[in-house]
Parts: sequence; structure tokens; C-alpha cells
Amino acid sequence: GENVEQHPSTLSVQEGDSAVIKCTYSDSASNYFPWYKQELGKRPQLIIDIRSNVGEKKDQRIAVTLNKTAKHFSLHITETQPEDSAVYFCAASTEYGNKLVFGAGTILRVKS
Amino acid sequence: DTEVTQTPKHLVMGMTNKKSLKCEQHMGHRAMYWYKQKAKKPPELMFVYSYEKLSINESVPSRFSPECPNSSLLNLHLHALQPEDSALYLCASSPQRGGRADTQYFGPGTRLTVL
Repeated sequence: GENVEQHPSTLSVQEGDSAVIKCTYSDSASNYFPWYKQELGKRPQLIIDIRSNVGEKKDQRIAVTLNKTAKHFSLHITETQPEDSAVYFCAASTEYGNKLVFGAGTILRVKS
Repeated sequence: DTEVTQTPKHLVMGMTNKKSLKCEQHMGHRAMYWYKQKAKKPPELMFVYSYEKLSINESVPSRFSPECPNSSLLNLHLHALQPEDSALYLCASSPQRGGRADTQYFGPGTRLTVL
């Protein structure tokens, strides 16, 4: 089955700096890669996703890149703000499955 | 309505109790999910319903019993739970369009404590 590894487990950045979180997946059939943000005591919320027919996707300060050959994808947050502090989870899914496999999560702390 | 709702928000139960968790969505989604999340861990899939039929059971113990009465509702019946079952139980839904992997939208969760 699919296995998703996520690094780093914790990341501290200064406000205004960029943050990068990386994930690798094992199943070459996976082709849907969402990123979720979960604040303390709250639900996971989708912040961006990418499908395997696209190499990069941007939404304001957030971008995701995908390298299908290397089987890894990354989340990039620019101009970080204190409200970006949360746990971020990457995930992977195949086209015909409802099963999302999550990475272990990254705790992002943005220091002001 | 663009949200998944869950009740109750918090639940404390003894090991001999029977209780149920409820999840509701009115987005017309045809796939619904139960996840269990322990502190500082990712959500862990338990069950998937697709068009009101159970399609995935991730080898969950029988003390957890899911039910999908209609396309908008998902229940999780709990019986004879163990203290290690204490966790945040998250419900999610997705459109289920032609078998394509879709965005899953999560509810706020039920914080369950088993004494």
C-alpha cells in the first residue's frame, strides 16, 4: 500500500520568511496530493491540492510543486505570518480510491 | 450549507456504555468517511461509505459500528470501548465524481474520552 513520509516534523521560521515542507510517496499510481492545515483543536482544512498532470500550483502565498519521477511533492509558504502557525499534513491518493494516506505532519511555528 | 457538522462536540463514556456519534452534510456529497485522530498524529482512516454502501473498513474492531442511513447522514455506534479508543473522531465527505479522487472536507470532530 501507499506510504507517505513528511519532513521536517517541526519547523520554526521568523515572520516574513519562507517555509518549505516536503513529502515523498511510494505508490506510483497516486495522482492526487492535498495539503491540510490543522490548528489546535480545529478540523483539518484543505489549503491547496495538486493532481499528477500538473507540476506546480499557486494560491497567493501558498504553492505546491510535484515531481512525479522522484515521487515527491512540496508545500511552499512565502511571507509567513503568525496565523500560519499550525500542523500541516500532506496526503496522497490514487485516482480510483477514496483512501487518503497522510504524512505524519509538520508543526510550523512562525515567530513574530 | 458548505460544511460537515458533527455531534456531540465532546463525549465521555464508560467502557460499558453504548453511544453514537453523528455526522451530517448537505453538500450533495456521495462519499463519507470516519477517521480517528490521536494527539499529534495524522487522521487515521476507519471507514468509507460510497453511495450509502460501506466500501472500505480498515480492519476496525467490531466495537465500532458505522451506519449510513441516507446520503446526508453518517453515524458511528460505539459499544464496549477501551480507554485507548479515546481520541478525536473526524467525519469527512467528498463529492465522489466518477471515481476520481476528490477533496475531502472534514467536520470539527467529536472529542471522545473513554473512562
